[in-house]
Amino acid sequence: GAVVSQHPSRVICKSGTSVKIECRSLDFQATTMFWYRQFPKKSLMLMATSNEGSKATYEQGVEKDKFLINHASLTLSTLTVTSAHPEDSSFYICSAQGRQGSPLHFGNGTRLTVT
Amino acid sequence: SQELEQSPQSLIVQEGKNLTINCTSSKTLYGLYWYKQKYGEGLIFLMMLQKGGEEKSHEKITAKLDEKKQQSSLHITASQPSHAGIYLCGAVMADFNKFYFGSGTKLNVKP
Repeated sequence: GAVVSQHPSRVICKSGTSVKIECRSLDFQATTMFWYRQFPKKSLMLMATSNEGSKATYEQGVEKDKFLINHASLTLSTLTVTSAHPEDSSFYICSAQGRQGSPLHFGNGTRLTVT
Repeated sequence: SQELEQSPQSLIVQEGKNLTINCTSSKTLYGLYWYKQKYGEGLIFLMMLQKGGEEKSHEKITAKLDEKKQQSSLHITASQPSHAGIYLCGAVMADFNKFYFGSGTKLNVKP
């Protein structure tokens, strides 16, 4: 079946550095990718929606300069947390969708810890 | 704002008891998904419903989508400790073409 690979699964970085998280669709072309963040004991909050070749659409309250999303190809989207701070520590998860209306497939998530 | 409301927020049941989790939206849902998660870990896909009135079952879990496609329920029969976790509904919202998650339901099953 379709698989989405998210990397890394865990990352620890120092405050002020940037971290890149990759989301790859392994056996299908993902025209749309979604990025989510999960706060402790909370549900998954949609951060942004990205379509291949165009700028990501960010949800209200999500800083686009802080969370850079690139969807340069049909199989890869990246989320870069710039100038990370401890409050950015969280669980981030991506999902990928082929054509509109087709099932979504999720990565296994990335646990980011900023020290 | 929460596009999808889930209830209850948390649930503690005795092993062997049945339970139901609800997921409600004010908008028409296109592709309603149910997932299970242990916090901070990946999502386990349970079921996807698309058609109004659709019902699917897998082992002891049954999910339904109402005719209006605005409400779904997840029913677990004869619950077991292995059913414990966080249950999330998720759906594509018709007018936004985005995928949102419900607020989640934390289930604890006492042996």
